[in-house]
Amino acid sequence: GNSVTQMEGPVTLSEEAFLTINCTYTATGYPSLFWYVQYPGEGLQLLLKATKADDKGSNKGFEATYRKETTSFHLEKGSVQVSDSAVYFCALIATLTGGGNKLTFGTGTQLKVEL
Amino acid sequence: EAQVTQNPRYLITVTGKKLTVTCSQNMNHEYMSWYRQDPGLGLRQIYYSMNVEVTDKGDVPEGYKVSRKEKRNFPLILESPSPNQTSLYFCASKRAWTEAFFGQGTRLTVV
Repeated sequence: GNSVTQMEGPVTLSEEAFLTINCTYTATGYPSLFWYVQYPGEGLQLLLKATKADDKGSNKGFEATYRKETTSFHLEKGSVQVSDSAVYFCALIATLTGGGNKLTFGTGTQLKVEL
Repeated sequence: EAQVTQNPRYLITVTGKKLTVTCSQNMNHEYMSWYRQDPGLGLRQIYYSMNVEVTDKGDVPEGYKVSRKEKRNFPLILESPSPNQTSLYFCASKRAWTEAFFGQGTRLTVV
């Protein structure tokens, strides 16, 4: 079946530090890949996406590149801010499976950014 | 504004007392889903719907019911809630092969 593996958290960084959150996946067919962010007390918001190999998704200074050869979609940001503190979820939709276009999520990685 | 609206945001109930969590979307999306979020487990799909009157089980459907009588609404029904259904619930909607839009969540506590 499809699965997404994320690095365990929490990840604690100082402001302006470089961020990497690792995400690897297993999927049938040709998945689309997503990063969602969940701020405290809120629902999930789409942060960025990539729909085919070598695509780079980017938004709000965050980037992730769809690497088919390593089945990875690592999230990066060059300089984090306190306001980036949130839980980050990697997810996929696999094109050859049913389930109503089901999103398969990783377990989430909590990021804490300190001054 | 495009949105998915869930109600209530917070709910405390007692074991066995039937409850309904409502979900409505204004984007004319075909697909709607319910997820529950639990620490260390991420989000797991409970039920989904591909269109009006078409629903199916997700990964953890036991103890839940859904209906899709109108395209915009997708209520989640717990006919006899139990403490293991204490969780954070999210409704989501989407079009085919695109990202999902999520509601703000409903934090349910069953005592």
